Amino acid sequence: GAVVSQHPSRVICKSGTSVKIECRSLDFQATTMFWYRQFPKQSLMLMATSNEGSKATYEQGVEKDKFLINHASLTLSTLTVTSAHPEDSSFYICSARDLLEGDSYEQYFGPGTRLTVT
Amino acid sequence: RKEVEQDPGPFNVPEGATVAFNCTYSNSASQSFFWYRQDCRKEPKLLMSIYSSGNEDGRFTAQLNRASQYISLLIRDSKLSDSATYLCVVKPQGGYNKLIFGAGTRLAVHP
Repeated sequence: GAVVSQHPSRVICKSGTSVKIECRSLDFQATTMFWYRQFPKQSLMLMATSNEGSKATYEQGVEKDKFLINHASLTLSTLTVTSAHPEDSSFYICSARDLLEGDSYEQYFGPGTRLTVT
Repeated sequence: RKEVEQDPGPFNVPEGATVAFNCTYSNSASQSFFWYRQDCRKEPKLLMSIYSSGNEDGRFTAQLNRASQYISLLIRDSKLSDSATYLCVVKPQGGYNKLIFGAGTRLAVHP
């Protein structure tokens, strides 16, 4: 149980284009999903917290107009990187909390999406 | 100062060795503590949640010292399959169950 999928697993796009990454909880419902970014040899950095049916909460320094988050259902959150630039190339990972696990702090991670902007 | 600090390593150890990783955190109000394991180009996976002053799970022992804001992970009888990056993770008080990740300590176990 507690499987999170991401699509695509790898994407290469040209500078200036937009890319959408999907994060799905496959066997549980998630009111809260998290989006992280990880540069090589660095830690996962939380970009934003996505709540179903409401606006995402962005971490300091993350441009909300550049990284658009939509959490339209209890099993799907999307991250759209708009007008991508080479410095946006990174490993993007989502995670989700199970609605039924109450105060559990465990997050289930997706396999990640490797974005390369040329 | 980083919120969670770890020695990046790498730690190169032979099979069967015992190895210990350390981690310090800056927020004294932090509530929960974890060790995650991350293989190259993969997502992190929960290795251990740390309860009270520490706990043990097979070959893995985690310890927490709240007064010193210090966490450790001990791996006994290292296996080749233990080669990975170990992430120290802290949940600060409040904040949507937000997790703060350390940059990780790389372990390489060789035959």
